[in-house]
Parts: sequence; C-alpha cells; structure tokens
Amino acid sequence: GAGVSQSPRYKVAKRGQDVALRCDPISGHVSLFWYQQALGQGPEFLTYFQNEAQLDKSGLPSDRFFAERPEGSVSTLKIQRTQQEDSAVYLCASSLAVLVAEQFFGPGTRLTVL
Amino acid sequence: EDQVTQSPEALRLQEGESSSLNCSYTVSGLRGLFWYRQDPGKGPEFLFTLYSAGEEKEKERLKATLTKKESFLHITAPKPEDSATYLCAVAFFQGAQKLVFGQGTRLTINP
Repeated sequence: GAGVSQSPRYKVAKRGQDVALRCDPISGHVSLFWYQQALGQGPEFLTYFQNEAQLDKSGLPSDRFFAERPEGSVSTLKIQRTQQEDSAVYLCASSLAVLVAEQFFGPGTRLTVL
Repeated sequence: EDQVTQSPEALRLQEGESSSLNCSYTVSGLRGLFWYRQDPGKGPEFLFTLYSAGEEKEKERLKATLTKKESFLHITAPKPEDSATYLCAVAFFQGAQKLVFGQGTRLTINP
C-alpha cells in the first residue's frame, strides 16, 4: 500500500545518545506533521511542514528536538542527548491539502531511552 | 485554553450493545473535528471529519455527530472487532494546521 511509513519501528537508546527517526509521507502530500504519544494518552503536536517549509514548531519540547524536510517529501525528526522523558511513540502524519483536512498517520516509532 | 476531553476513559460492552462516546471541546473557533480509531501498536486510522454543528457522518456501525460544544460517536450493535481506542481531535482557527487530541476512549466489546 501507499500509506505513511516510518523507520525504525522500534529504537532503544542510552541516555545521552542522539537518535534520528524517519518519515516517508504519502506521495504528493503537501503537509507533514510530527506528534508524540505517551502511553495511554492522545498524540501531542510537535511540528508541521508545508512542503519543505517548517511553518510551526511550537510543540517541540526543547531545543534538543529538531526536524527537517529538505526536499518536501521525506522528513527526519532528530533528538539530541536523549533523556528518559523522551521515551514515547513518535507518529508522523501527512495530509494532501494545505487547508484543514484529514491527516493520515504512519505506524509510529517507539523510542525507549534507558 | 483550547481543550479536548473525551469520556468515558474506558467502556466495556457486550456484543450487540449499542452506546455512545463523547468528545467535548473548548476552542476559540472550530475548523474541523476528526475521529480516529487506534489499535494497539498502530498509528491512528482516520474515520470521520465534521466541520459544522448539525453535521453527521456514518460508516458501517459508526455514526459521528457534531454540536457547538461536543461530538458523539455512536456505535450500533458493536462486534468484538470494534474494540480499539477511539480518539477525537480538533483543528481550530488559532492553531494553524495542527490537531489537538483528546486522551481517547478505550472500547472493549466482549463476545
């Protein structure tokens, strides 16, 4: 199928390590979003791209979090010097439209920081 | 502060027993309300979008409705395969494109 894909599906990191999480959106989708989901909670917004432009990064919890989408398709979420509180599922979503429209989610990357 | 609250947190039903899940929101201006289904270990799966009060959408055993302050997801004669967490999310005028999610309702349908 041509859904949103994310890799890796699972990542275990030692505290202080840097990690990079990848998202391949649905082909042709202009908008791309990153969310963080803690166990038993709903997803929380991290950042939003329209093509290659990062238009909203208000949800990034600290300057250790950095996201990019250099060619307007694949996106990478990077977390530097990981902490235990960064342990969560990181979800990527894409949307066809620029205006408000349904977002289609990938399976997520489960990050565990030891 | 813009908030989305879902109730109940968890709901256990017998197969065939109809019920409703609630999503209430306090946002400065609603652009759209979305319902998603999430199975364990998977990403949310899109179900419905509602844009204005009075709007209704249906899909199989599910029907979503919207008022000015809340949305309901009605489930009619559920089956065990309907067991999942149901998430409600809101897009609002001040929030650009992002979705604000509720905490979800964990639905279990017993055979």
